[in-house]
Order: sequence, then structure tokens, then C-alpha cells
Amino acid sequence: GAGVSQTPSNKVTEKGKYVELRCDPISGHTALYWYRQSLGQGPEFLIYFQGTGAADDSGLPNDRFFAVRPEGSVSTLKIQRTERGDSAVYLCASSLSGGANEQYFGPGTRLTVT
Amino acid sequence: KQEVTQIPAALSVPEGENLVLNCSFTDSAIYNLQWFRQDPGKGLTSLLLIQSSQREQTSGRLNASLDKSSGRSTLYIAASQPGDSATYLCAVRRGGSRLTFGEGTQLTVNP
Repeated sequence: GAGVSQTPSNKVTEKGKYVELRCDPISGHTALYWYRQSLGQGPEFLIYFQGTGAADDSGLPNDRFFAVRPEGSVSTLKIQRTERGDSAVYLCASSLSGGANEQYFGPGTRLTVT
Repeated sequence: KQEVTQIPAALSVPEGENLVLNCSFTDSAIYNLQWFRQDPGKGLTSLLLIQSSQREQTSGRLNASLDKSSGRSTLYIAASQPGDSATYLCAVRRGGSRLTFGEGTQLTVNP
């Protein structure tokens, strides 16, 4: 079956603009995660959804970042008033349920803020 | 706060060599530990998942061990090949569902 998919694969935007990044999890996976990976670093946790609700959003860096998962499947990460420091690869992962289940990662969206 | 450290940051070896990558974590109260591979410009591929009650997991030429009490894990790669060249990341899950990652070891296997 299909793995986790993310669109777009690359996004270039100007400072101050609004962007949306999309994640399609593996079918049937109720848990969905967003991570951010800066160059040369390991991924850092942003937010975790169980179904439609955000079970843990403590990794979101500030209120410019917001994520939704309205139907418990596809998720959108939204960044307002982008800054150059937001440039990174945004990774999405899903798992069968939360807890200790293995997480499967998508290819990521490379965001560049100019 | 959980911190994960990987040593070395980079490693270059000739083809055929056996090698060990190290991962340490500060909080031993983990649910499990996972090793990933990341190719340049790509996402993460899960290699091995070790539950907290396990000591090791094996998959082909890869063997991962876990010593939870000392906060250490190793990834052993036997008979390395150029196709093994990638960045290897370890990640631990403590409470909840978030993974905490190390910064990775960049491995180059030279033909």
C-alpha cells in the first residue's frame, strides 16, 4: 500500500507570506505527527494528532504555527508571516495508533523562506 | 528534558568493514528506541525498533542493542557496502508519542 505522502515536495516563499503544507498518512493510521528538521540536525517534534484532535502541540515554536486534521486523515500544517528561520524540511509521520507504535515517515516538504 | 547524542558525527570507512554507531540518551525511562536511515534529500526509513524490554534486534546485516539502564544503544553494521552510505538517526520515545532524535551520524562507505 501507499506510504505517507507530503505535498509540495519543495516550497519557496517570501518572508511574511502564509504557507500550507499537506500530509496524507497511511490509510487506517489514526496517529499523525509533524516534525521539523533543520540542516545538519535531527528532526524536532512539532505536534501529534490522535484522530481529529491535537493530543500534544507542545512542540509548536510559536503562534504563527498551526495544524489541523479535520476528518482524522489528511493534515495541514499552516505557517503565518513566515520568517527566514522557518526554512527547514517539514516531515510528517503516521502510526497505527499512538503510544509505542512504529512511526512511518513521509519524504518531507523542503520550505525555503527568502 | 530528554537529550539524545550520537557519536561519531561522521564516519568514513572502506567497503567490507564492520562498524558501530553509538547513541546515548539522558532519561532511561523510555518506551522504545528506533534507528532510522536518511538518504540526502529524502525522508526517514525505519531500520530497527527496540522495545524497552528488549536487549537487541537484528535485521540482515544490522544489529541494534539497547542498554536502557545506562542510556545507550549501538547499531552494528556488518560487512559495510557503498549502498549503506547515509545518515543514521536514533530516536527514543519516552512518554506520550513524540520521538526525540539525535543529530545523526553521517556514514560514508568507500568502494
